[in-house]
Amino acid sequence: DAGVIQSPRHEVTEMGQEVTLRCKPISGHDYLFWYRQTMMRGLELLIYFNNNVPIDDSGMPEDRFSAKMPNASFSTLKIQPSEPRDSAVYFCASSLSTGKTQYFGPGTRLLVL
Amino acid sequence: GIQVEQSPPDLILQEGANSTLRCNFSDSVNNLQWFHQNPWGQLINLFYIPSGTKQNGRLSATTVATERYSLLYISSSQTTDSGVYFCAVDTGGFKTIFGAGTRLFVKA
Repeated sequence: DAGVIQSPRHEVTEMGQEVTLRCKPISGHDYLFWYRQTMMRGLELLIYFNNNVPIDDSGMPEDRFSAKMPNASFSTLKIQPSEPRDSAVYFCASSLSTGKTQYFGPGTRLLVL
Repeated sequence: GIQVEQSPPDLILQEGANSTLRCNFSDSVNNLQWFHQNPWGQLINLFYIPSGTKQNGRLSATTVATERYSLLYISSSQTTDSGVYFCAVDTGGFKTIFGAGTRLFVKA
C-alpha cells in the first residue's frame, strides 16, 4: 500500500486566500484524522471521521476551517480566508479503528504570508 | 481535560548508549501510542500499547495503566534514532492527545 497520501506537500499563499489540503487514507481504513503541528501548540487533533462521517470537530480552531470526506478515499481540509497564524504543518492520518495504530501522511507545510 | 507529560524534554546520547523516555498521563486512557518524528518531519508509529510490554528490535515499551505512565526504552542507540518521540493517548472520547515530545539527538 502507498500509505496515506497528502497534497500539496508545500503551500505558500497570501492572507485572505482560500487554501485546500487533500488527503487519501490507506485503503480499507475507516477512520481519518486531521492534525495541525506548530511550535507553540505541538500536535493538535482538529477533526476526525468514521466511515466518512465527522465525529468530533471540537479541535477545529474557528469557522474559517472546514473539513469534508465525500467518500472513503478522499478528504479535504479547507481554510477560508487564510491568516498568517494558520501557518503550520497539517497532517492527515488514518486507522482501522480509533485508538488503534494511526498511520500518518507526510504532511502539508503551509505558509500564509 | 487529560494532561500528557513527557520527560525529559531533551536528551543527547552518545551512539551505543541506552535511554528511557517517560510519558505520564493524568487520567485513565483507552489507548496509548508512541511515535517517532524523524528530522524530515515524518511521523512513524512505534507502538500501540494501552497496557503491558512490547518489543520491536532495539525498542521496547511498557505501559502501566493503573499507575498512569508509559516508558519507551531505546537500547544501543544509533544516529538514525534522532528526532522527536511523542506519546499520544486516547481517552475514550476518541480524541487523541499528544504530549510535547522528547527531542533526542544521538551523536556519532
